[in-house]
Amino acid sequence: GDSVTQMEGPVTLSEEAFLTINCTYTATGYPSLFWYVQYPGEGLQLLLKATKADDKGSNKGFEATYRKETTSFHLEKGSVQVSDSAVYFCALSDDNYGQNFVFGPGTRLSVLP
Amino acid sequence: DTGVSQDPRHKITKRGQNVTFRCDPISEHNRLYWYRQTLGQGPEFLTYFQNEAQLEKSRLLSDRFSAERPKGSFSTLEIQRTEQGDSAMYLCASSQGWAEETQYFGPGTRLLVL
Repeated sequence: GDSVTQMEGPVTLSEEAFLTINCTYTATGYPSLFWYVQYPGEGLQLLLKATKADDKGSNKGFEATYRKETTSFHLEKGSVQVSDSAVYFCALSDDNYGQNFVFGPGTRLSVLP
Repeated sequence: DTGVSQDPRHKITKRGQNVTFRCDPISEHNRLYWYRQTLGQGPEFLTYFQNEAQLEKSRLLSDRFSAERPKGSFSTLEIQRTEQGDSAMYLCASSQGWAEETQYFGPGTRLLVL
């Protein structure tokens, strides 16, 4: 079945550092890819998405490019802020599975001032 | 747009008791999903509805679990004879359906089974 793998956390960075959180996937169909973020005490929020190969999703300074050849969707941000501290989940949605999401285990990011 | 709401936000129960959770999706959304999230893990799919029809159920959804969406609006998830292993966050999400697959999540119901 479909699966999503993320780099293990926690990731601890200083403010203004560059962020990369790796995400790779396995899917039988042509999935859409998503990054969700969960801030402390809050629900999951969509951060960005890409629906086909070579698409780039972006939001709030975060970017991720759908790479079909490497089955990856790595999340990047050029300069993180303390307010970016959260848990980040990579997910896919596959038509073959009724579009229910398959989530990765999440990567906790802590940004220190 | 009031977002997805869930009730209650927290539930503590004793093993063997039944519990029921409610989810109210975004009003124009046809699809409604239930997920379970345990500490340190990503959400795991349980079941989903297209309007009032329950179209798919995960193997995680044992016979003790039942979900309904009787009028295609709100949904309930019931767990009968709760076990300590049922302790988790239960998340509800909704989406417009085939044309727009982005799912919008509610705040979740945290269940603790003693």
